Amino acid sequence: KNEVEQSPQNLTAQEGEFITINCSYSVGISALHWLQQHPGGGIVSLFMLSSGKKKHGRLIATINIQEKHSSLHITASHPRDSAVYICAVGRNQFYFGTGTSLTVIP
Amino acid sequence: NAGVMQNPRHLVRRRGQEARLRCSPMKGHSHVYWYRQLPEEGLKFMVYLQKENIIDESGMPKERFSAEFPKEGPSILRIQQVVRGDSAAYFCASSPRLLQGNTGELFFGEGSRLTVL
Repeated sequence: KNEVEQSPQNLTAQEGEFITINCSYSVGISALHWLQQHPGGGIVSLFMLSSGKKKHGRLIATINIQEKHSSLHITASHPRDSAVYICAVGRNQFYFGTGTSLTVIP
Repeated sequence: NAGVMQNPRHLVRRRGQEARLRCSPMKGHSHVYWYRQLPEEGLKFMVYLQKENIIDESGMPKERFSAEFPKEGPSILRIQQVVRGDSAAYFCASSPRLLQGNTGELFFGEGSRLTVL
């Protein structure tokens, strides 16, 4: 069993839809990251959180420490949101989910 | 303020050669992390370093791989006697401090793509 499980693996949405990506983990953490990886490989850290909720533009990340679960929400999705979204948890050593490949269709 | 700089972006090596990948963290960042992404697989932690210290190398293969982060200069990930299975994207990330809680920043480089022929 992987330390970090993401769902769904693949997601196709129409432009404007509300999107949710889920992450469940089994390891102890001091932080959870949501990362975005575009085709061609560059990685951007979207959020780092260990409690509560964070919002940045159309992106919202929540975490429930007791349930060991986090969600990434994208409101009013846009084709430029198409990317792989990766959940990473840990302390010094990070465990990564296998990613959710999102395609937003115009 | 330049981001995390990795070079080379692409590296081709023949089996048995050495590969050296460099990572210059963001200015003011003293924590460096190396990750590997094998084709069609997720990212895997390799090593976490602070200046002149290896903090956690639990993700590094026991042989042929080494990493350093000297007092001056970039962090180096060195792979000796490369094999085809080493072909992957190697990402470096840096942070200004230990990552914990709700605060902290982690910045990634663009990655170095190693191809072993």
